[in-house]
Amino acid sequence: AQSVSQHNHHVILSEAASLELGCNYSYGGTVNLFWYVQYPGQHLQLLLKYFSGDPLVKGIKGFEAEFIKSKFSFNLRKPSVQWSDTAEYFCAAYGNNRLAFGKGNQVVVIP
Amino acid sequence: DTAVSQTPKYLVTQMGNDKSIKCEQNLGHDTMYWYKQDSKKFLKIMFSYNNKELIINETVPNRFSPKSPDKAHLNLHINSLELGDSAVYFCASSQAPGGVMGNTIYFGEGSWLTVV
Repeated sequence: AQSVSQHNHHVILSEAASLELGCNYSYGGTVNLFWYVQYPGQHLQLLLKYFSGDPLVKGIKGFEAEFIKSKFSFNLRKPSVQWSDTAEYFCAAYGNNRLAFGKGNQVVVIP
Repeated sequence: DTAVSQTPKYLVTQMGNDKSIKCEQNLGHDTMYWYKQDSKKFLKIMFSYNNKELIINETVPNRFSPKSPDKAHLNLHINSLELGDSAVYFCASSQAPGGVMGNTIYFGEGSWLTVV
């Protein structure tokens, strides 16, 4: 079964700082990877996804993620965060006919 | 228009009661899911239906019973509610079983269940 690990559960940073969230998945054949964002009190929304092609994926709101197969990683980045990026971020990976989520990163951006 | 809608959004109920959460999607998707998010924000799949057939049934107490009357609906019924059932329950849908060829799962807004 696919498993996903995310590190540094709580991240606090100032506006304009750069953000990088780590995500590692367990090997399970063909990999489909996702990042979802959950703003306070809201549902999950897709930020970006990777299933083939260019390993550097651009998503919404200035986010990008890089798939590095040799490291089993799919890290999320944003060069300059805004207060509105305060949210919970979830990495997810497809395997064994189900989408497995990591435990999330709680990101707080201070104005 | 809301793509995946679930009701009620908030539900406070006493231990031992039976309650249902309803979910509907208007995206024309074949696959629907129920996920549970606990107090630590950990998301875990509970059930998945594809074309009204159960395809995923995680280790969930049999007090939880999903019902899919048609492809657009997947309801969750919970019997004899316990304190530990307090969580946010998310309904979701996708065109095909989740993750296949980058297929996206769309989530509803969640149902906040509190058992007292």
